[in-house]
Amino acid sequence: AQKITQTQPGMFVQEKEAVTLDCTYDTSDPSYGLFWYKQPSSGEMIFLIYQGSYDQQNATEGRYSLNFQKARKSANLVISASQLGDSAMYFCAMRVPYNQGGKLIFGQGTELSVKP
Amino acid sequence: DAGITQSPRHKVTETGTPVTLRCHQTENHRYMYWYRQDPGHGLRLIHYSYGVKDTDKGEVSDGYSVSRSKTEDFLLTLESATSSQTSVYFCAISESQRDSLGETQYFGPGTRLLVL
Repeated sequence: AQKITQTQPGMFVQEKEAVTLDCTYDTSDPSYGLFWYKQPSSGEMIFLIYQGSYDQQNATEGRYSLNFQKARKSANLVISASQLGDSAMYFCAMRVPYNQGGKLIFGQGTELSVKP
Repeated sequence: DAGITQSPRHKVTETGTPVTLRCHQTENHRYMYWYRQDPGHGLRLIHYSYGVKDTDKGEVSDGYSVSRSKTEDFLLTLESATSSQTSVYFCAISESQRDSLGETQYFGPGTRLLVL
């Protein structure tokens, strides 16, 4: 069965420092996609970054990068130069192939607090 | 931003009453999803649709039904609401023309449902 695990319920980081949010996944499918979403206190789900299972290079989007280690089945999110606005809940998710519905399987989330 | 709206945004209802939540999209995307979000569980899939009148169950479908009579609308119905269905409900959409796992799922703003 497919599964996403986020082992850090909450984390603190000092403003302007980098932070890594952990995510491990489990699947027997060779094709899958890994996503990170941000959920601020206002409640909306904001897409941050995507990594495909066949991608050779780690994905980057501005201050966000995804540290993809396929052999370890990990897809950690790295936020560089943290800002106060980064305080939010962060969810790692895995997309299954469309012949299985293309659904997202979510982890339980990590609540990040950025300290000034 | 993807054109996704959910209605109502907030609802309080009593146990045993039927409730229908609506998701409306203006993107003409093929796939639509209903998730629920509960503390400690992340988001979990209730039902999804891969076309008009084509729907399938997710992992927490008991007590819920869905309908999709038009591309733009996906309805979630709680036939007889229970307190365990108190949750935040998110609708999401994605397009799969290229059958790419990298296609982002875009989320609606969510509906907060309280069942007393």
